[in-house]
Amino acid sequence: AQSVTQPDIHITVSEGASLELRCNYSYGATPYLFWYVQSPGQGLQLLLKYFSGDTLVQGIKGFEAEFKRSQSSFNLRKPSVHWSDAAEYFCAVGAEGYSTLTFGKGTMLLVSP
Amino acid sequence: GAVVSQHPSWVICKSGTSVKIECRSLDFQATTMFWYRQFPKQSLMLMATSNEGSKATYEQGVEKDKFLINHASLTLSTLTVTSAHPEDSSFYICSARTTVRPYEQYFGPGTRLTVT
Repeated sequence: AQSVTQPDIHITVSEGASLELRCNYSYGATPYLFWYVQSPGQGLQLLLKYFSGDTLVQGIKGFEAEFKRSQSSFNLRKPSVHWSDAAEYFCAVGAEGYSTLTFGKGTMLLVSP
Repeated sequence: GAVVSQHPSWVICKSGTSVKIECRSLDFQATTMFWYRQFPKQSLMLMATSNEGSKATYEQGVEKDKFLINHASLTLSTLTVTSAHPEDSSFYICSARTTVRPYEQYFGPGTRLTVT
């Protein structure tokens, strides 16, 4: 069965500082990996996705993520956090064709001034 | 970009009544739509997969008679919570998958259901 682990429930980062959100997955085949962001009371917005090819993927809003097969990880990074980045971030794994997506429990990002 | 809408965005209903939530893909066709449930401060849990013109596929533990799903067209899926109870109060999110490769899945803004 596929699963996603986001070990950090909350993370607080100072505005302007760098950010890394961790994500580990378990999947029997080649994974399709995603990072979504959710603001309070809102739906999910796709930040970036990895299907194949270059293991460093660029997304929207200055985010990037690196796929490391040997570590079963897909960590999300941003070099300089803005206050508007405060939100909940979800890592997800799925199969080709989006047959189903399995989400992690999410990491709440708090940005301090 | 592709847009998925949900209606209503929030609803309050009395225990024992039924509530229908609509999910629409506004500018693309979606043969497959997904319904998720999200409890406060928790992750999304897939409830069911809705396929246009056929019966929905429910995840284990989801009562199909309680959560009725209809996907009658390529742009509309509905979720009806029947005989709602307070424990059905939750945030319901739908998503729609494009019909051609590369498949993309777009999420709706969610519907907050409160059962009193």
